[in-house]
Amino acid sequence: QSVLTQPPSVSAAPGQKVTISCSGSSSNIGNNYVSWYQQLPGTAPKLLIYENNKRPSGIPDRFSGSKSGTSATLGITGLQTGDEADYYCGTWDSSLSVNWVFGGGTKLTVL
Amino acid sequence: QVQLVQSGAEVKKPGSSVKVSCKASGGTFSSYAISWVRQAPGQGLEWMGRIIPILGIANYAQKFQGRVTITADKSTSTAYMELSSLRSEDTAVYYCARGWTDFDYWGQGTLVTVSS
Repeated sequence: QSVLTQPPSVSAAPGQKVTISCSGSSSNIGNNYVSWYQQLPGTAPKLLIYENNKRPSGIPDRFSGSKSGTSATLGITGLQTGDEADYYCGTWDSSLSVNWVFGGGTKLTVL
Repeated sequence: QVQLVQSGAEVKKPGSSVKVSCKASGGTFSSYAISWVRQAPGQGLEWMGRIIPILGIANYAQKFQGRVTITADKSTSTAYMELSSLRSEDTAVYYCARGWTDFDYWGQGTLVTVSS
């Protein structure tokens, strides 16, 4: 069971918008930056969003991130079939010792 | 262009150890932390620990304390992850990743299979 809670799956049609939530606590999301990762089948994760809402070079502005309190959200607009992937949120957690934690992952299906 | 290149797949017996390497190029190796993340078949990402090469200091997830050792060789810009007392549940793809508050570059992954 993950420290950060994500929905197991979300789906939407091409061209539509989807959001993926990531819920945590004051020991993790509440006091640390959140980042988001996209993992296409059979590949290594790729950084999509860092420091809550910043996009690395090369990541289209269809991808956005936000954070409020102890929750974070990844938004994807103009869905494409190539966006079908697993998405993970992550951050530092200081509840016991300092550990990095990931959400359980969300499978995005573009119908 | 930063690259993290990992060593090849391994097949190990239960009870043995495995050591995976991660060679960095195209960046300043010592300026970043290197973490190790694993992914069991069909499962999510799990952080194992990290090392700060410039300090030689490593910290580990509680789950792996006593079984994992992460080291770094600054002269070759290579980080290592050694996992001991292997069991079948350790079968996974192991990734190295660079970063402090996020992981901007990842290795290609190394499949470790634990089987008798």
